[in-house]
Amino acid sequence: EAQVTQNPRYLITVTGKKLTVTCSQNMNHEYMSWYRQDPGLGLRQIYYSMNVEVTDKGDVPEGYKVSRKEKRNFPLILESPSPNQTSLYFCASSPLAGGDFSYEQYFGPGTRLTVT
Amino acid sequence: EDQVTQSPEALRLQEGESSSLNCSYTVSGLRGLFWYRQDPGKGPEFLFTLYSAGEEKEKERLKATLTKKESFLHITAPKPEDSATYLCAVLPRSNYKLTFGKGTLLTVNP
Repeated sequence: EAQVTQNPRYLITVTGKKLTVTCSQNMNHEYMSWYRQDPGLGLRQIYYSMNVEVTDKGDVPEGYKVSRKEKRNFPLILESPSPNQTSLYFCASSPLAGGDFSYEQYFGPGTRLTVT
Repeated sequence: EDQVTQSPEALRLQEGESSSLNCSYTVSGLRGLFWYRQDPGKGPEFLFTLYSAGEEKEKERLKATLTKKESFLHITAPKPEDSATYLCAVLPRSNYKLTFGKGTLLTVNP
């Protein structure tokens, strides 16, 4: 089954304790992206990646890191989490068709993160 | 900076009562405009991509249209299962950074 998986689905942690949220897709998609969703602010892009070793900032990259060492995986790293990073996080992937997007993004189920 | 504004924020319809959702955007050269549906607690689900003014796409009771400044999602004879949050997003030509609107929460009562 074609899917995007995220782990963990729920996480409660404390300020300053480094954490990683994993994202994996089995569709051989080139494009992958991370978003956070907050009430009243909507869905905002954190980072995206066009392919292996190619990443770029979205609208809200501060406090986050990403890496794309393999095509299928795109982990989100919070080096020193703070309470304002409490949010619902989504990973997504999309194929690139002919050098440009078809943009049928497939979203993962989400990771609900609470930082106390 | 790219901007996307969706209206109304919430819309309540009776089953069978057709209506439209609006997505106004400003972007420095549009690569594509996208519509997604999101159910509570789930990730967004792709609906449509529109690339140029005048383009229209249809899927079941949904029809998306695009002008140079806005897009409409027309819902014809909606059913309760159409209840969801509908999201609009734009992708500029200058990069691959996607900007979403805050969404319209649609409720269809039986």
